[in-house]
Amino acid sequence: GAVVSQHPSRVICKSGTSVKIECRSLDFQATTMFWYRQFPKKSLMLMATSNEGSKATYEQGVEKDKFLINHASLTLSTLTVTSAHPEDSSFYICSASPTQGGDEQYFGPGTRLTVT
Amino acid sequence: GQQLNQSPQSMFIQEGEDVSMNCTSSSIFNTWLWYKQDPGEGPVLLIALYKAGELTSNGRLTAQFGITRKDSFLNISASIPSDVGIYFCAGQLTGTYKYIFGTGTRLKVLA
Repeated sequence: GAVVSQHPSRVICKSGTSVKIECRSLDFQATTMFWYRQFPKKSLMLMATSNEGSKATYEQGVEKDKFLINHASLTLSTLTVTSAHPEDSSFYICSASPTQGGDEQYFGPGTRLTVT
Repeated sequence: GQQLNQSPQSMFIQEGEDVSMNCTSSSIFNTWLWYKQDPGEGPVLLIALYKAGELTSNGRLTAQFGITRKDSFLNISASIPSDVGIYFCAGQLTGTYKYIFGTGTRLKVLA
């Protein structure tokens, strides 16, 4: 149980275009999902907390207009990287918790974004 | 962003040896989680700790929630080649759903 999927697993886009990444909890409902960014050989940095039916909460330094988050249902959150630039290239990972308190977080397999 | 201090940063050990790594912080945490991440994949949850002093095992893995709630350690006994990967601790900040991640321990096992 507690499986989280992400789509796509890899995406290459041109500078200036937008890319949407989906995060789905497959066998549980998640009121809260989280989006992380990970640079090579670095730890996970929390970007935002995605709440179903309400606006996402962004971490300091993360541009909300750049990284649009929509949590349309209890099993789906999307991250859209708008007007992507090469510096947005990274590994983006989502996580979700099956419990209200978010005690255990289960991660998706990640999405490798490359902006050319 | 915030990160936990995790040590060691990397380890090279012989197959069969035991491994120990830990995370420390100046902040108090409600929950500690330990993850393993393979290259190009998302982290996989290994152990969850919910109470100060709690000691929990999962096969060859044992983790403890520090009494002060500011630290945690993970032990791996009798390491095998498939233990290779990066291990992260994550602490849940008091009063939030958010987790702060450790800087990671890169483990390599020599057969």
